[in-house]
Amino acid sequence: DTEVTQTPKHLVMGMTNKKSLKCEQHMGHRAMYWYKQKAKKPPELMFVYSYEKLSINESVPSRFSPECPNSSLLNLHLHALQPEDSALYLCASSHPGGEGKTQYFGPGTRLLVL
Amino acid sequence: SQQGEEDPQALSIQEGENATMNCSYKTSINNLQWYRQNSGRGLVHLILIRSNEREKHSGRLRVTLDTSKKSSSLLITASRAADTASYFCATDASGGSYIPTFGRGTSLIVHP
Repeated sequence: DTEVTQTPKHLVMGMTNKKSLKCEQHMGHRAMYWYKQKAKKPPELMFVYSYEKLSINESVPSRFSPECPNSSLLNLHLHALQPEDSALYLCASSHPGGEGKTQYFGPGTRLLVL
Repeated sequence: SQQGEEDPQALSIQEGENATMNCSYKTSINNLQWYRQNSGRGLVHLILIRSNEREKHSGRLRVTLDTSKKSSSLLITASRAADTASYFCATDASGGSYIPTFGRGTSLIVHP
């Protein structure tokens, strides 16, 4: 199984809502990533988990809260978002550490904040 | 920033033609990867080339790496309409965290 799944595929939320994005993989990868991608731009790294521990937080606002409950699951909790947070949110996984890490990406969650 | 810069930003060709995309980067790297992204979808890994390699092939893809010029090229031969997508190079810097940093991407349109 070389698939990374993400739910939901689409999400519309108001600025006062709380929602969560979910990501799952069963490839035995112990590194998982959240990226944000705006239209016609490259993915921007938000968070990296390595062996279920947060290893990188790219100065992301606290209204985004990641969680890695186990080695297969990665969540991104959303609260009090702004319209400029509307984007495609991509999850990826890979083997941790070392050179030549190929990342496997999920299809993304298209988020619209009203 | 280690971010790669793809060139051209947009490329429009006819089916059957070859497509060449270039990527330049700023600092020494361990390896360089190319990814494809269909509109609004996740990225798909195409090929990885290590810093001590100069050329790699995979099917209709040919990747070259010139570390002296800090550049790479991706050639897609005999293009198909299904190759229409955005293509990103990703590098990870020597002595860095091995997390790929993506370039701006090239948007390729292949007309049937």
